Amino acid sequence: KAGVTQTPRYLIKTRGQQVTLSCSPISGHRSVSWYQQTPGQGLQFLFEYFSETQRNKGNFPGRFSGRQFSNSRSEMNVSTLELGDSALYLCASSPDRVEVGYTFGSGTRLTVV
Amino acid sequence: DQQVKQNSPSLSVQEGRISILNCDYTNSMFDYFLWYKKYPAEGPTFLISISSIKDKNEDGRFTVFLNKSAKHLSLHIVPSQPGDSAVYFCAASAAGSARQLTFGSGTQLTVLP
Repeated sequence: KAGVTQTPRYLIKTRGQQVTLSCSPISGHRSVSWYQQTPGQGLQFLFEYFSETQRNKGNFPGRFSGRQFSNSRSEMNVSTLELGDSALYLCASSPDRVEVGYTFGSGTRLTVV
Repeated sequence: DQQVKQNSPSLSVQEGRISILNCDYTNSMFDYFLWYKKYPAEGPTFLISISSIKDKNEDGRFTVFLNKSAKHLSLHIVPSQPGDSAVYFCAASAAGSARQLTFGSGTQLTVLP
């Protein structure tokens, strides 16, 4: 069974640019969540999508947005990049049963210069 | 406001002995708790979860204990193996239509051969 696939694995962008990250969840999983991991703030929740609808959003500015397609694939977009956006962005998919956990992808390492 | 706290940044244990990782939480609305293991350059891997209506859950070498009155949980790994060396994250989730995980800051476990 294929895992959660995130592309690209690494990305370098310049301040002020925008970036789009992609996530393909495990087949059959309709819930997709995004997390940001930084050394200073740890793992923080960005947003969660279920059946193309955003169900929950973390405490991040509006520059961070996402969407989910009918095949459950998800993208997140960060506009007007800032140096502080440099982080590992992790996508997690779930069959919407918290007790079985969320399966995380390997992440996209974004560096803003 | 850290709702999930892992107060020990690191822990070293001899191979074959027990590893005990601790986690404290403040939010009484959390009803599920999860443990994840993370290797460098990979996403977190789900280990085990526990519902707030239970006080213990076991899966092979991993056992999680929950003390609701103390708002404390712990992960026991017996016996510890060198391959268990990783960062361990405690996470919690509150009931609702959309689940998000609130993570602790992690504990680096090193199992010495």
